[in-house]
Amino acid sequence: SQQGEEDPQALSIQEGENATMNCSYKTSINNLQWYRQNSGRGLVHLILIRSNEREKHSGRLRVTLDTSKKSSSLLITASRAADTASYFCATANFGNEKLTFGTGTRLTIIP
Amino acid sequence: DADVTQTPRNRITKTGKRIMLECSQTKGHDRMYWYRQDPGLGLQLIYYSFDVKDINKGEISDGYSVSRQAQAKFSLSLESAIPNQTALYFCATSGTGVGEETQYFGPGTRLLVL
Repeated sequence: SQQGEEDPQALSIQEGENATMNCSYKTSINNLQWYRQNSGRGLVHLILIRSNEREKHSGRLRVTLDTSKKSSSLLITASRAADTASYFCATANFGNEKLTFGTGTRLTIIP
Repeated sequence: DADVTQTPRNRITKTGKRIMLECSQTKGHDRMYWYRQDPGLGLQLIYYSFDVKDINKGEISDGYSVSRQAQAKFSLSLESAIPNQTALYFCATSGTGVGEETQYFGPGTRLLVL
């Protein structure tokens, strides 16, 4: 079963615009991670946020976490054509060190 | 060279055949994972291993088995392949300490069962 659900399922924006995608989950977590997948390839880790953190930045990426709402968002600023990919959130529960992945958001950046 | 490699990259097999997918890593990680991805969906965990003597079932282990031959090698077998096992299979590794929760993925094996 999927712990996380991303919203929207698909998103198309113009190059240069900001892209925001959301992740909701069901149970308490230790950390939440975002991964990127280019078509048919392996996933690449983007950023990890722990349950006691509310916001993290990495380059053009900004992640927020609201544990009271069991939700996270990933913001990509100043999007580029190369950002076209699928983005997945994954949660790790306390005492359970596996990751459970959501269904992903497919992001298309229009040049 | 890639840190996590998978062989083969593509495989076509027939219903009822036994096949093995192999994963090797040079990251020195103790933890290894096998996932399955179906079109348009996220990853589902098949099996995972936290060290050479530790093997655990994931969400969808039925019809699969694994072998952890060494710290660096983790193989996935389909004992008798069926068409609904057609999918993209990924191996991943991670460390064991705080700050080592990131998983590193191989390039995937695309499997078609006819």
